[in-house]
Amino acid sequence: KAGVTQTPRYLIKTRGQQVTLSCSPISGHRSVSWYQQTPGQGLQFLFEYFSETQRNKGNFPGRFSGRQFSNSRSEMNVSTLELGDSALYLCASSYRGEAFFGQGTRLTVV
Amino acid sequence: QQQVKQSPQSLIVQKGGISIINCAYENTAFDYFPWYQQFPGKGPALLIAIRPDVSEKKEGRFTISFNKSAKQFSLHIMDSQPGDSATYFCAASKTGANNLFFGTGTRLTVIP
Repeated sequence: KAGVTQTPRYLIKTRGQQVTLSCSPISGHRSVSWYQQTPGQGLQFLFEYFSETQRNKGNFPGRFSGRQFSNSRSEMNVSTLELGDSALYLCASSYRGEAFFGQGTRLTVV
Repeated sequence: QQQVKQSPQSLIVQKGGISIINCAYENTAFDYFPWYQQFPGKGPALLIAIRPDVSEKKEGRFTISFNKSAKQFSLHIMDSQPGDSATYFCAASKTGANNLFFGTGTRLTVIP
């Protein structure tokens, strides 16, 4: 069974630009969550989607948004990028409470 | 406010020794406590998890001990191996809510 797939693996963007990250969950998993990982703040929850609806949201500004498609694939968008948005963005698909993470997208904002 | 506190920040253990990582939580509504292992350049991998209805869970060399009254739980790695060298994260959540609150991580180094 294929794991969680995140694309792209690496991204370099300029301050002020926007970026879209993609996540394909494990087949059969309908819940997709996004996390930001930084050395200073650790792993922080961004939001969760279940059956195309946002079910939970963390404490991040509105520049961070997401969506989920009917096939459970999810995208995360960050608008007006700031230097502090540089991080590893992780997607996790969940089934019966167990969360399985992808390898992440390393975003660098310059 | 950090909802899950983890210690130590780093740990060095000899091969064959026992590695112990501790976590404490505040929210009594939490009822799911997983541990994740992360290698450099990789996403966190689910290692073992426990729910409050049991005080201990063992899977191979990994054991979680859970103390509900103290709101603490810990990971014990028996017979630690160099391949166990990684960063370990504890986490907590409520059943039905797939948002995990993570500890700050413990970097484990196992010396051959």
